[in-house]
Amino acid sequence: DTGVSQNPRHKITKRGQNVTFRCDPISEHNRLYWYRQTLGQGPEFLTYFQNEAQLEKSRLLSDRFSAERPKGSFSTLEIQRTEQGDSAMYLCASSLGGSVNNQPQHFGDGTRLSIL
Amino acid sequence: DQQVKQNSPSLSVQEGRISILNCDYTNSMFDYFLWYKKYPAEGPTFLISISSIKDKNEDGRFTVFLNKSAKHLSLHIVPSQPGDSAVYFCAAFNNAGNMLTFGGGTRLMVKP
Repeated sequence: DTGVSQNPRHKITKRGQNVTFRCDPISEHNRLYWYRQTLGQGPEFLTYFQNEAQLEKSRLLSDRFSAERPKGSFSTLEIQRTEQGDSAMYLCASSLGGSVNNQPQHFGDGTRLSIL
Repeated sequence: DQQVKQNSPSLSVQEGRISILNCDYTNSMFDYFLWYKKYPAEGPTFLISISSIKDKNEDGRFTVFLNKSAKHLSLHIVPSQPGDSAVYFCAAFNNAGNMLTFGGGTRLMVKP
């Protein structure tokens, strides 16, 4: 399967702990996105990379959140000092970009974060 | 401010009949629209898309219609099958924004 892969699938942690999620995009995709989805809502954009450059960040991405894509391949999303409100599904997506416009984003199955 | 809205949280349809899912948007800068299907415990799966230069795109049982003047799009599924039961998300893309803006989803139930 060469789709978008996310690890772990589930993460349960105590409030105040740090967590890190990993996303492996489709190999030829140069764009990578992070979204957050809470119950009953659609996914909300968090941040976006083109290759290794982080080009856009949402206001939802507080200072406790940091994302990296060091070699333009996989990406990590870290949340420091987790809070109850961070409980959500964190989705990663990838797409082709650049000179190729209007390409759909393909999503992984997400990491469900539960804060105790 | 919700820029993409799906006003029907749920829809129930008999197998073999047509399912019509609706979506409204407010941002006139959106130029590419997509529908995603989501099963429980899985990520959204891309279904079909349409560029703002078109008013219809068809792929098998799925057709998306775009009415730019009304800022409205719809997804038609004909004939509906029980396996189509899922949550459907409408999403819009603005090339200048580099992000998808999603609606809240519509849960489709296709009864055998």
